[in-house]
Amino acid sequence: EAQVTQNPRYLITVTGKKLTVTCSQNMNHEYMSWYRQDPGLGLRQIYYSMNVEVTDKGDVPEGYKVSRKEKRNFPLILESPSPNQTSLYFCASSSDRSGKGNTFGSGTRLTVV
Amino acid sequence: GENVEQHPSTLSVQEGDSAVIKCTYSDSASNYFPWYKQELGKRPQLIIDIRSNVGEKKDQRIAVTLNKTAKHFSLHITETQPEDSAVYFCAATPVTGGFKTIFGAGTRLFVKA
Repeated sequence: EAQVTQNPRYLITVTGKKLTVTCSQNMNHEYMSWYRQDPGLGLRQIYYSMNVEVTDKGDVPEGYKVSRKEKRNFPLILESPSPNQTSLYFCASSSDRSGKGNTFGSGTRLTVV
Repeated sequence: GENVEQHPSTLSVQEGDSAVIKCTYSDSASNYFPWYKQELGKRPQLIIDIRSNVGEKKDQRIAVTLNKTAKHFSLHITETQPEDSAVYFCAATPVTGGFKTIFGAGTRLFVKA
């Protein structure tokens, strides 16, 4: 089954404790993105990648890092999480540069206390 | 910066009526416009999209119209059903200059039986 798999689904952590949210897709897509979703703000793009070792900032990259060492994986790293990073996070992948056919993961609800 | 404005934020209709959601984008380089439906607790899913060389696209009960001159596009749902109740997001993507996607803030649609 074609899918984007995110882990974990839920995470509660403390301020300053480094964490990684994993994202993996099995569709051989070149394009992948991370979004955060907050009430009243829609989805905001954090980082995106257009291929292995090619990543770039989206609209809200501060406090986040990503890597793309393999085509299928695109982890999101929070080196020192803060409470304002409490949010619902989605990973997405697409075979098309326009984002057509964007497939989203199930989401990760992160709470930073 | 680039942004997408979406209206209304909440829409309540009677079953069988039509619903219209409107979006305006700022980046004239945008030429791909998807619409996503997100049911409670689930991931966004693409329901229809349109490219800038097309003025209208229809898929059963849903249609999207695009006015590139005015930089706005709309989602039309006819004969609404209770299962149409969800949050709908519009988005705009420039095909050039990376892989950025800008989402609207979302419209919560209630369809009353």
